Amino acid sequence: DTAVSQTPKYLVTQMGNDKSIKCEQNLGHDTMYWYKQDSKKFLKIMFSYNNKELIINETVPNRFSPKSPDKAHLNLHINSLELGDSAVYFCASSQAGTGGGTEAFFGQGTRLTVV
Amino acid sequence: GENVEQHPSTLSVQEGDSAVIKCTYSDSASNYFPWYKQELGKRPQLIIDIRSNVGEKKDQRIAVTLNKTAKHFSLHITETQPEDSAVYFCAASGSNDYKLSFGAGTTVTVRA
Repeated sequence: DTAVSQTPKYLVTQMGNDKSIKCEQNLGHDTMYWYKQDSKKFLKIMFSYNNKELIINETVPNRFSPKSPDKAHLNLHINSLELGDSAVYFCASSQAGTGGGTEAFFGQGTRLTVV
Repeated sequence: GENVEQHPSTLSVQEGDSAVIKCTYSDSASNYFPWYKQELGKRPQLIIDIRSNVGEKKDQRIAVTLNKTAKHFSLHITETQPEDSAVYFCAASGSNDYKLSFGAGTTVTVRA
């Protein structure tokens, strides 16, 4: 009974392609996130959504477009993939914003490799 | 924005010894400080957190301390075991914030 699930787990694609990663949470949370973990393991926020509304866009190139069709889903579409986009992308959710002291639950990650 | 620094980047301890990881943050408005453990190839998972109105919190072999004045917080693991080997991340979040700012991580290796 996975709390935050994302698909696919692995994604290998060529430069210039467009790809999507899907995320779903069954915790009833209001807030969802996308984080990027680079090759040095650094975790950095990309986007935050609260009740389907974009709250944070952390200077991410506009080739990345998140979409939240409802509170339980937050998808990430990436256009014109570049080598530098290779990373592990984590979806996460929390009851409210983490500033309220609520735990963020992470999905299992999507390892994106651009060749 | 918030800047979180974490030290050391790697830590090797003998089984049964203690491990300490330290973090500093820059934004005095930050009020929530979680610690995540990430095993190889797995997701980050919360192991303990502390809020700014508390100076110390303990959960079995794990404890966290917070010094708001100095803007630093630390993770203490006692009686380390091989299964404690992982990457540990500290993080900070400000009130009304919708993101965690993470430290760069500490790779902990527990030698049997």
